[in-house]
Amino acid sequence: EAQVTQNPRYLITVTGKKLTVTCSQNMNHEYMSWYRQDPGLGLRQIYYSMNVEVTDKGDVPEGYKVSRKEKRNFPLILESPSPNQTSLYFCASSLRPGGSGYTFGSGTRLTVV
Amino acid sequence: KQEVTQIPAALSVPEGENLVLNCSFTDSAIYNLQWFRQDPGKGLTSLLLIQSSQREQTSGRLNASLDKSSGRSTLYIAASQPGDSATYLCAVLNYGGATNKLIFGTGTLLAVQP
Repeated sequence: EAQVTQNPRYLITVTGKKLTVTCSQNMNHEYMSWYRQDPGLGLRQIYYSMNVEVTDKGDVPEGYKVSRKEKRNFPLILESPSPNQTSLYFCASSLRPGGSGYTFGSGTRLTVV
Repeated sequence: KQEVTQIPAALSVPEGENLVLNCSFTDSAIYNLQWFRQDPGKGLTSLLLIQSSQREQTSGRLNASLDKSSGRSTLYIAASQPGDSATYLCAVLNYGGATNKLIFGTGTLLAVQP
């Protein structure tokens, strides 16, 4: 089944403890992206990747890192999480940048206390 | 800067009713527009994708239209069912954007009453 898989689905952590949210797609998509969803603010892009080893900042990149060493994986790294990063996170992919539809993962609900 | 607005923010209808959800955007230079469905605590499921050159797309009881010049899209749901209850999001992809960023509206929360 074609899909985007995120792990974990739920995570509660403490301020300052480094964490990684994994994202993997099995559709050979070039483009991958991370979004966060907050009440009243909708979905906002954090980082995106046009292809392997090509990443760039979205609208709200502060406090996050990403890497794209392989085409299928695009992990989101929080080096020192803070409470304002409590949110619902989504990974998405598309076949190529622009012009095609996006497939989203099921989401990761992160709580930082 | 592209802004996407969805009205109404919430809608409650009785089962069987036909309904229309609205999406408007400020910059008509879009690549495409996509409608998503989101169930509580879940991910986004793509419903329909309309390319900028298209006027509408249909899938089952769903029909989405696009009027680029006026910056509007509508999602028509025929013969609504309780299982249609969810949040519906529209998102646009702008031309020429190096980020290939989807810009989302804040959604319409739909409740279909049995």
